[in-house]
Amino acid sequence: AAGVIQSPRHLIKEKRETATLKCYPIPRHDTVYWYQQGPGQDPQFLISFYEKMQSDKGSIPDRFSAQQFSDYHSELNMSSLELGDSALYFCASSPSGWQNNSPLHFGNGTRLTVT
Amino acid sequence: DAKTTQPPSMDCAEGRAANLPCNHSTISGNEYVYWYRQIHSQGPQYIIHGLKNNETNEMASLIITEDRKSSTLILPHATLRDTAVYYCIVRGHTGANSKLTFGKGITLSVRP
Repeated sequence: AAGVIQSPRHLIKEKRETATLKCYPIPRHDTVYWYQQGPGQDPQFLISFYEKMQSDKGSIPDRFSAQQFSDYHSELNMSSLELGDSALYFCASSPSGWQNNSPLHFGNGTRLTVT
Repeated sequence: DAKTTQPPSMDCAEGRAANLPCNHSTISGNEYVYWYRQIHSQGPQYIIHGLKNNETNEMASLIITEDRKSSTLILPHATLRDTAVYYCIVRGHTGANSKLTFGKGITLSVRP
């Protein structure tokens, strides 16, 4: 079965650079969630989208932005990167984020290293 | 904030059942109990979820107490590949409540 695809798998950037992470949800999933997992930490919710509109927002820095496109893929844009942004970034998708009991399915993440 | 409490760690012998407890005493009537696991920096993997009835699938069984304040995930025959961090998560399903909020999880170590 098709899974959530994230690209790139690994990304190395320098401080103050920008990065773009991409997420391709499972077909027919219209809701996307982004999570950040620092070293030794648990996944922390950043932001979610339903039908191309932001549906919820967590502890996402102002330097980060995200959007969902008409084909439901999503991109997380990160600017002015800091060393503390080094983490695993996971994307998850589910069908119809509103009033459903379908589980979220996660991709295998993008490992961002800021040097 | 996570609405669940789990012990930090436990271990079990390969081939034996692993029973992972979770407390969620403040769960609301329309919230589900979800279990995910994460194996060494891979993406969290969905295991099972339930509202109030016990549930079983090919991976595990979920036993929810009648008052819904606690639950137990059962891996019937643990293997070395089941070594992971297991997260018990309470999740609503409407709008902003549809996200998963991860707590500390329980580290399960399966020994040979």
